[in-house]
Amino acid sequence: ETVLTQSPATLSLSPGERATLSCRASQSVSTYLAWYQQKPGQAPRLLIYDASNRATGIPARFSGSGSGTDFTLTISSLEPEDFAVYYCQQRSKWPRTFGQGTKLEIK
Amino acid sequence: QVQLQESGPGLVKPSGTLSLTCAVSGGSISSNYWWSWVRQPPGKGLEWIGEMYHSGSTHYNPSLKSRVTISVDKSKNWFSLKLSSVTAADTAVYYCARGTSGEGGVFDPWGQGTLVTVSS
Repeated sequence: ETVLTQSPATLSLSPGERATLSCRASQSVSTYLAWYQQKPGQAPRLLIYDASNRATGIPARFSGSGSGTDFTLTISSLEPEDFAVYYCQQRSKWPRTFGQGTKLEIK
Repeated sequence: QVQLQESGPGLVKPSGTLSLTCAVSGGSISSNYWWSWVRQPPGKGLEWIGEMYHSGSTHYNPSLKSRVTISVDKSKNWFSLKLSSVTAADTAVYYCARGTSGEGGVFDPWGQGTLVTVSS
């Protein structure tokens, strides 16, 4: 199966700062990579699909890039509501797999 | 807009069968989407369980394949998950989600999730 490794495990930043989250795949997933945000007690929410496409209703401060094995989720200027756990997920091959998550916390 | 809602027992005995349903509202389960299950053990990450297309095609996680069945009930507009021979390791929040049309694999929207505890 395709293993997704996210880094860092925890990212401590302040509101207004830029966040850069990484996801590395154990084999090429082309651009078939998505990013989800999960807040405590809530279901995950789709942010980005196919590496760089924002889902409906997602603010423009969220952007995704990458292809092959290396991907990045960037939040240009952190809002208080952005502090959460972020997961990447690939759909290139079965089984679908998720990364272990990056926790974005307030510094 | 489509909304999903999981339901089922919150407690299952070891060696028993976990059974959950996901009611789909605001859209038809017969439309061209994949219908999926994902779980999350307490304090841990997300694990894809499997998915079913409205036509009946299925894909399961190999780690669970021998114990999992996903089915669709078009008359009730819901889909279901059965996981047999459960152990404490199957304790998790179970989410249903809609996967994109075509090749699937992009999950949106999700249900709110339901916690299932495996314990005697």
